[in-house]
Amino acid sequence: NAGVTQTPKFQVLKTGQSMTLQCAQDMNHEYMSWYRQDPGMGLRLIHYSVGAGITDQGEVPNGYNVSRSTTEDFPLRLLSAAPSQTSVYFCASSYLPRGYQETPYFGPGTRLLVL
Amino acid sequence: EDQVTQSPEALRLQEGESSSLNCSYTVSGLRGLFWYRQDPGKGPEFLFTLYSAGEEKEKERLKATLTKKESFLHITAPKPEDSATYLCAVSFGNEKLTFGTGTRLTIIP
Repeated sequence: NAGVTQTPKFQVLKTGQSMTLQCAQDMNHEYMSWYRQDPGMGLRLIHYSVGAGITDQGEVPNGYNVSRSTTEDFPLRLLSAAPSQTSVYFCASSYLPRGYQETPYFGPGTRLLVL
Repeated sequence: EDQVTQSPEALRLQEGESSSLNCSYTVSGLRGLFWYRQDPGKGPEFLFTLYSAGEEKEKERLKATLTKKESFLHITAPKPEDSATYLCAVSFGNEKLTFGTGTRLTIIP
């Protein structure tokens, strides 16, 4: 299994540009999520999905859109990039909780620089 | 508000010098506590999952323990390759995780 994969690894954008960060998993996990990691702040949840066709907002959703058309893929879209969105983005996946929280597994990350 | 606090922020140890990292949390229906290791430029790598107070998990030189208010990651006789940032994350009763800010561990040969 490849686990959780993310593309691209690194991206530079100009303010106002849009782009899509790709995330895919091959573990048949129902739950997928996007986090951003900034120095001194820990990972913060952006959006998450509990299955195909179902998405919801996390802690910091503004400026980002998601969709979930398949179990395997969960892309994150930046509609109009801003310098405040410069960060490292991680995708994670897990089975849905069944009483207790299932272990999330993370991808390698996408480093985004917005100029 | 549910919070996760990790201490210390940074820790430098000599090779072979054992120590512990702390993860404390405010209780609101703990449904799981997770430890990850993160190397520079990489994604978090899963280490341990703990669910109940009194539970312990071990892997090589690492041992994770859980009480009702905190978890410890004990590192015994560390080696330079154990240098990394160690992250703690807690599930408080929904599918979402709350992360601490991590402990940056450096092992000096």
